[in-house]
Amino acid sequence: AQTVTQSQPEMSVQEAETVTLSCTYDTSESDYYLFWYKQPPSRQMILVIRQEAYKQQNATENRFSVNFQKAAKSFSLKISDSQLGDAAMYFCAYSWETSGSRLTFGEGTQLTVNP
Amino acid sequence: NAGVTQTPKFRILKIGQSMTLQCTQDMNHNYMYWYRQDPGMGLKLIYYSVGAGITDKGEVPNGYNVSRSTTEDFPLRLELAAPSQTSVYFCASSYGARGSPLHFGNGTRLTVT
Repeated sequence: AQTVTQSQPEMSVQEAETVTLSCTYDTSESDYYLFWYKQPPSRQMILVIRQEAYKQQNATENRFSVNFQKAAKSFSLKISDSQLGDAAMYFCAYSWETSGSRLTFGEGTQLTVNP
Repeated sequence: NAGVTQTPKFRILKIGQSMTLQCTQDMNHNYMYWYRQDPGMGLKLIYYSVGAGITDKGEVPNGYNVSRSTTEDFPLRLELAAPSQTSVYFCASSYGARGSPLHFGNGTRLTVT
């Protein structure tokens, strides 16, 4: 079974600093996709970034970037120049080629941004 | 576009009552999903659908039923509500292509007492 593990229940960062959130996953699939979703206090689920496993290049979206290590089954999220609005719960998620885009989620990391 | 719309936003049920959570999307997505999120936890898949008339169980389907008579609508039925069903419920949809991201509704907070 595919599993996603986020080992940091809580993280904090100073405004304007950089923080990295960890995620590991377990799969026997060769073709799959990885995502980071953000859930602010409003409860809305917002896509942050998406990575295709067959692509070597790490995905980036403005201040958000990932470090994708396929052999190690690791998918960490780096947030640069942290802003107060980045404070949220962050979920790592995984879907595989034949899953119909069904996502398996980790348990989340609560990020606090300190002014 | 409204995206994915869920109703109601909040609901309190008594043990043994039944209710239907409504979900509709206007993006013409074939794939739709129901997830539940327990406090401090990640989301777990209840049911999903790959098109009108086709549904399948996810990870935690017990106590729930779904139907998909149209592309737009994917209601979730709770029969005989139990305290263990207290959770936040999210409906989502996707284009369904390989690795396409999910678009989520804003959730329904359900309390069973």
